[in-house]
Amino acid sequence: AQTVTQSQPEMSVQEAETVTLSCTYDTSENNYYLFWYKQPPSRQMILVIRQEAYKQQNATENRFSVNFQKAAKSFSLKISDSQLGDTAMYFCAFDAGGYQKVTFGTGTKLQVIP
Amino acid sequence: DVKVTQSSRYLVKRTGEKVFLECVQDMDHENMFWYRQDPGLGLRLIYFSYDVKMKEKGDIPEGYSVSREKKERFSLILESASTNQTSMYLCASSLRGGRMNEQYFGPGTRLTVT
Repeated sequence: AQTVTQSQPEMSVQEAETVTLSCTYDTSENNYYLFWYKQPPSRQMILVIRQEAYKQQNATENRFSVNFQKAAKSFSLKISDSQLGDTAMYFCAFDAGGYQKVTFGTGTKLQVIP
Repeated sequence: DVKVTQSSRYLVKRTGEKVFLECVQDMDHENMFWYRQDPGLGLRLIYFSYDVKMKEKGDIPEGYSVSREKKERFSLILESASTNQTSMYLCASSLRGGRMNEQYFGPGTRLTVT
């Protein structure tokens, strides 16, 4: 069974600064997908960024990037130039694909301070 | 845009009542999921379905059942609601094999059982 660990329940960052959210996972699979989802206060969960395990290159989406370390089973999210709209719960998720279920971490609550 | 809707944003029920939570998606997705979200526990999978009339247990199926008679609709049923089922319930859908299995979420139903 897969497990996903987010060790930072809460974090804060000053507006315009950079913050990194950590995520580690455990799996015996070799091919899988990793995701970061964002849940703003009282709003729907949306996808922020995704990474395919077989790709060496780290994924980037505008101000969001990941540091994917397959051997270490680590998948951290870096948010650059933090904005007030980045205030949200962030969930790391693991998907082995096929008919296997997705496993989510416990979430990190990020507060961007003006 | 993919749209996932849930029948209620807020619901208050009494202990012992039978509760139905409905989820509808409009993008012909094969996969549908029901999660509950609790502080400090993240998202926990209750049930999922990969096709009409198919269902699979997730991590916490006890006290719940599901129904998927049509592809676009996935219902979560609490046969006899209990206070420990007070939670936020999230429905999600995904396209099998598409876009690295990104999940699209509904707005959630906050259920209170008194």
